[in-house]
Amino acid sequence: AQKVTQAQTEISVVEKEDVTLDCVYETRDTTYYLFWYKQPPSGELVFLIRRNSFDEQNEISGRYSWNFQKSTSSFNFTITASQVVDSAVYFCALSEAWQEYGNKLVFGAGTILRVKS
Amino acid sequence: GAVVSQHPSWVICKSGTSVKIECRSLDFQATTMFWYRQFPKQSLMLMATSNEGSKATYEQGVEKDKFLINHASLTLSTLTVTSAHPEDSSFYICSATPGTAFGYGYTFGSGTRLTVV
Repeated sequence: AQKVTQAQTEISVVEKEDVTLDCVYETRDTTYYLFWYKQPPSGELVFLIRRNSFDEQNEISGRYSWNFQKSTSSFNFTITASQVVDSAVYFCALSEAWQEYGNKLVFGAGTILRVKS
Repeated sequence: GAVVSQHPSWVICKSGTSVKIECRSLDFQATTMFWYRQFPKQSLMLMATSNEGSKATYEQGVEKDKFLINHASLTLSTLTVTSAHPEDSSFYICSATPGTAFGYGYTFGSGTRLTVV
């Protein structure tokens, strides 16, 4: 069964600080996808990244970067030089390849990020 | 890009009445749709997976008779909360994917905030 753990419930930083959000996952599948989503106060989910299990290359997109390590089953997310607009709830999610009724997405508990000016 | 429209954005209903929430894929055919529920300050919990033309598959603990899901076409899925009660008040989000094959992305609706009074 698939499971995602985000141990950090809430993180507060001051603007311009770097912050890393942790994500640890469990799966028996060798083929799976990992995701990060941002949920601002308005509620809609904003897609940030999708990474498949065969691609362990780290990725950078502007101030965002992701560190995928299969050896530790982790997919951590770093925001560099945080801004107030980064304040939101961030979810890590996992989808296994071989599922009987469709590739459902399982979410972690989420991490509330508060960036103070 | 892929767009999923979810209506209504918010609804207030009286206890005992039924509420229907619609989820439409606007520019792609959604073979599979997912319904999630999110309580305040909690994660998204999958309620059910629906494939077009077949019965929905409900997650353990979700009452099938209370949360009726219909996926009659490739662009429309509906969730009906029957005989709603205050404990059903929550944020409901749908998600759609163009196929059951692994690797398709997920597009989320903007969510429906249900308040039962």
